[in-house]
Amino acid sequence: EVQLVESGGGLVQPGGSLRLSCEASGFTFSSHWMTWVRQAPGKGLEWVANIKEDGSEKYYLDSVKGRFTISRDNAKNSLYLLMSSLRVEDTAVYYCARERSVAYWGQGTQVTVSS
Amino acid sequence: DIQMTQSPSAMSASVGDRVTITCRASQGISNYLAWFQQRPGKVPKRLIYTASNLQSGVPSRFSGSGSGTEFTLTISSLQPEDFVTYYCLQHSSYPYSFGQGTKLEIK
Repeated sequence: EVQLVESGGGLVQPGGSLRLSCEASGFTFSSHWMTWVRQAPGKGLEWVANIKEDGSEKYYLDSVKGRFTISRDNAKNSLYLLMSSLRVEDTAVYYCARERSVAYWGQGTQVTVSS
Repeated sequence: DIQMTQSPSAMSASVGDRVTITCRASQGISNYLAWFQQRPGKVPKRLIYTASNLQSGVPSRFSGSGSGTEFTLTISSLQPEDFVTYYCLQHSSYPYSFGQGTKLEIK
């Protein structure tokens, strides 16, 4: 069974940093693109970033480019999202997902950016 | 960037009705489109991939069609559990983008 478990969310002040982690199990992690998707309170889904199986290609939403960095450690079956220069508008539940077409989702981790 | 326009943004229907939700892409995306269902407070779930392929375990009353710039999600006979929110996602061109969502409400 595919399992994706996010962690690392929390409350951070504007301008601060946070690193999200996603631990994968139940499939061969190194064989799949991985994706981050977010959902602000009461809003729709927003694609954030994804990364190729070997980490050689990474793509980002324009509004997070230069502030967020997606990475992975295939030896640890883990996906990461390093978020810096955080803004109030980055407040959302952040989901880790498998595939470019977002086939499987984690439960999400809440990130709140507020002073 | 590709914009995905979903319509309607909300609609009312009755149990047993046939409904269609549309997603239009601002430029061609071939068949790189997926549909998702999200219940309130829950994690989204993929229903359809590559425009018309039914995700394993999803009831056959759900179907998808389209290619290029226009896509549809059809629910052939609405069940009570279907009155939730639906999203499309284009994964053809970066940055990928979701539609704004369609909320199905009971009439």
